[in-house]
Amino acid sequence: EAGVTQFPSHSVIEKGQTVTLRCDPISGHDNLYWYRRVMGKEIKFLLHFVKESKQDESGMPNNRFLAERTGGTYSTLKVQPAELEDSGVYFCASGRGFWNEQFFGPGTRLTVL
Amino acid sequence: GDSVTQMEGPVTLSEEAFLTINCTYTATGYPSLFWYVQYPGEGLQLLLKATKADDKGSNKGFEATYRKETTSFHLEKGSVQVSDSAVYYCALSSGGSYIPTFGRGTSLIVHP
Repeated sequence: EAGVTQFPSHSVIEKGQTVTLRCDPISGHDNLYWYRRVMGKEIKFLLHFVKESKQDESGMPNNRFLAERTGGTYSTLKVQPAELEDSGVYFCASGRGFWNEQFFGPGTRLTVL
Repeated sequence: GDSVTQMEGPVTLSEEAFLTINCTYTATGYPSLFWYVQYPGEGLQLLLKATKADDKGSNKGFEATYRKETTSFHLEKGSVQVSDSAVYYCALSSGGSYIPTFGRGTSLIVHP
């Protein structure tokens, strides 16, 4: 069974540019989560999809972040326009149910210059 | 709010040394406690967990005991290997939430 995959693994962009991160969950997992780890800080929850619907987006920092999960398969997280403080590692995770184990991807390291 | 504090790294050990990574928490009610491990180039994996006081979680030679009186969940291993080199995250979930609250992670480097 393939694990959670994320693309790209690294992204370096200028302040003000747009970046789109992609997450492919494990096949059959309806639940998809995004997290972020800013340098030196804790991993923080961003949002949770159940299929294509947003179950909880309480962790999204502001309206420069837009997450989608069309068709309930892969998800994208767009940052537009990017700011310096958006730099960090963005993790995606998927799971079968709310209380089931979450399986994490390797993360996308985003650097905003 | 809930929070997790873990010792800063990196922790550098020689192979076969004893490992302890400290973790303490603040939470309402009775949280479930977790240790995750992230090997280089991979995603976080659940290493072990404990759901109530005095429970001991164990996996791959690692152990952690849920200590309610000291609000701690320290990770231990009797003899580390080079392959244990990774980042270890302590986490909790409480109040009916399925979203874990993570600590900052502790990097472990094991030398041959």
